Amino acid sequence: QVQLQESGPGLVKPSESLSLTCSVSGGSIISTSHYWGWIRQPPGKGLEWIGSIDYRGTSSYIPSLMSRVTISVDTSKNRFSLSLTSVTAADTAMYYCARQRIAVAGPFDRWGQGTLVTVSS
Amino acid sequence: QSALTQSASVSGSPGQSITISCTGTSSDVGRYKFVSWYQQHPGKAPQLIIYEVSNRPSGVSTRFSGSKSGNTASLTISGLQAEDEADYYCSSYTSNSTVTFGGGTKLTVL
Repeated sequence: QVQLQESGPGLVKPSESLSLTCSVSGGSIISTSHYWGWIRQPPGKGLEWIGSIDYRGTSSYIPSLMSRVTISVDTSKNRFSLSLTSVTAADTAMYYCARQRIAVAGPFDRWGQGTLVTVSS
Repeated sequence: QSALTQSASVSGSPGQSITISCTGTSSDVGRYKFVSWYQQHPGKAPQLIIYEVSNRPSGVSTRFSGSKSGNTASLTISGLQAEDEADYYCSSYTSNSTVTFGGGTKLTVL
């Protein structure tokens, strides 16, 4: 059973960069059947897809964050990462990593437990 | 990229059926079969309950069913149980090669 686990700082200062890693266990990130994505949820609000990547590094991002976000993959460590630059209080959210079946169009069928990131000085 | 439209809340009594709607456009829900539904209990990660409009992952109760008509997708929960009380989110693939979620619907079991 594939499991995902987010890790990274819980507090980031405004204007700095947010960096999170999602470690995948119980299966290989090298899969032609899956993409790997990041989704966030501000406190008390709904879900927002940030972007997804496959093991070859082919990625897709939400247009509103495209200038600030990078998702990368490290197949040697079986993990993928999120980088978000120039953060503001609006980026405060629970950040989830998830496995996406088949492609960017597919459903998120496995989720990490989430990690709360607060942007504050 | 606009979020899909869901009603903010819905309620029902145990044993009843309820339907949650998710309205998009001809560039997302109306165009693709890639509509999914997620259930999220408080403090927990979302869980996939419906994919490709009407398919249930293994282990998901048959009380959950999905459908689509035009630009609107629907999730029906039959035989409501107390454990069904949660937030429900729809999502769709879009013509911009992105994913969009609905704003979420809070289900209260009376």
